[in-house]
Amino acid sequence: GAGVSQSPRYKVTKRGQDVALRCDPISGHVSLYWYRQALGQGPEFLTYFNYEAQQDKSGLPNDRFSAERPEGSISTLTIQRTEQRDSAMYRCASSPSEGPTSYEQYFGPGTRLTVT
Amino acid sequence: LAKTTQPISMDSYEGQEVNITCSHNNIATNDYITWYQQFPSQGPRFIIQGYKTKVTNEVASLFIPADRKSSTLSLPRVSLSDTAVYYCLVGDNGGATNKLIFGTGTLLAVQP
Repeated sequence: GAGVSQSPRYKVTKRGQDVALRCDPISGHVSLYWYRQALGQGPEFLTYFNYEAQQDKSGLPNDRFSAERPEGSISTLTIQRTEQRDSAMYRCASSPSEGPTSYEQYFGPGTRLTVT
Repeated sequence: LAKTTQPISMDSYEGQEVNITCSHNNIATNDYITWYQQFPSQGPRFIIQGYKTKVTNEVASLFIPADRKSSTLSLPRVSLSDTAVYYCLVGDNGGATNKLIFGTGTLLAVQP
């Protein structure tokens, strides 16, 4: 079946612009997670949802970052006024179980964000 | 805040058993400990998860002592295709948060 998809796969933007990254989870998966991963490092947790409710956003670096999942399916991670330090791979994952107890997550291919 | 530590890298030969340990203190009491495998240019792939003692599936075993301050992923009879980075994933016992923390990652290199 279809896995987790993310779009765009690559995004180059100028400093100061806003970007929206989309995640389409596996159908029926109730929880959805956002991470970012720098080259050579492990994924860094940003936030997660159970259904449409954002359960934890303690990992969001600052208030320029926000996420939503209004209908409990597709999610959007928005970064306002991008800075060069926001450049990274942004990964989305979904799970058939409510988080955070069970972490069997299925990851998408990621969006490579480059801020110039 | 939970903190995790893994060896940076390990070397092995085909057919050997490999054990990778993740040390994790101050983790969430009720959460599972999970391990992932990641190949270059791909997202992490779920391997196994457990809460206490030992769990085994078709690809790996996971050993978790009673104090849950560490976990050991055991890969039996590794092959060249097992060359990858392996991460543990734990929940942070940070009070009001449900933050998840990936380990630092262990690069396993399997040689013929």
